[in-house]
Amino acid sequence: AQSVAQPEDQVNVAEGNPLTVKCTYSVSGNPYLFWYVQYPNRGLQFLLKYITGDNLVKGSYGFEAEFNKSQTSFHLKKPSALVSDSALYFCAVSPGGGDYKLSFGAGTTVTVRA
Amino acid sequence: DTGVSQDPRHKITKRGQNVTFRCDPISEHNRLYWYRQTLGQGPEFLTYFQNEAQLEKSRLLSDRFSAERPKGSFSTLEIQRTEQGDSAMYLCASSTRQGREAFFGQGTRLTVV
Repeated sequence: AQSVAQPEDQVNVAEGNPLTVKCTYSVSGNPYLFWYVQYPNRGLQFLLKYITGDNLVKGSYGFEAEFNKSQTSFHLKKPSALVSDSALYFCAVSPGGGDYKLSFGAGTTVTVRA
Repeated sequence: DTGVSQDPRHKITKRGQNVTFRCDPISEHNRLYWYRQTLGQGPEFLTYFQNEAQLEKSRLLSDRFSAERPKGSFSTLEIQRTEQGDSAMYLCASSTRQGREAFFGQGTRLTVV
């Protein structure tokens, strides 16, 4: 069975500072990894994915994530955070093959202060 | 708007009543998923369709839950004899045959009183 851990419930950063949201995973085989963002009263929005290839993947709104197979991590990063990045972020994993369901972490609340 | 559409957005029901939710996926997405999200948790997988075939159901999906996708387009999720523990946000998502990323609707928030 696959699982995802987001070790930080909350991350607080000042606007303009780098933002990192941590994620580690456990899955058999080669994982498919995703980040989603959820704003209040809105659905989950897809940010980026890692399927194969370069370990650094770029996504929407200036976000990127780095896949590290040896550390089983997929941390989300943004070089310069904006107040509008304040939201709830979810990491998710899919085991691949014919299994398409996602297993999500519990989420990390990001607050960017002006 | 060509995103995933869910109806209703909110539903308040009395314990023991039946409720049905509808999901319209993105056009031409052949995979459709239902998830449930409770406060402070990430979404949990409930069930998944490829076209009209229901291919997988979570153990979370008790006998009181049933989902259909009769023509491979929209889907319905029915909960019979609702219980207070069923109160949650029910999310629908869809994806293409090739894509692994799922696109989510805004969800239906169910409150059982």
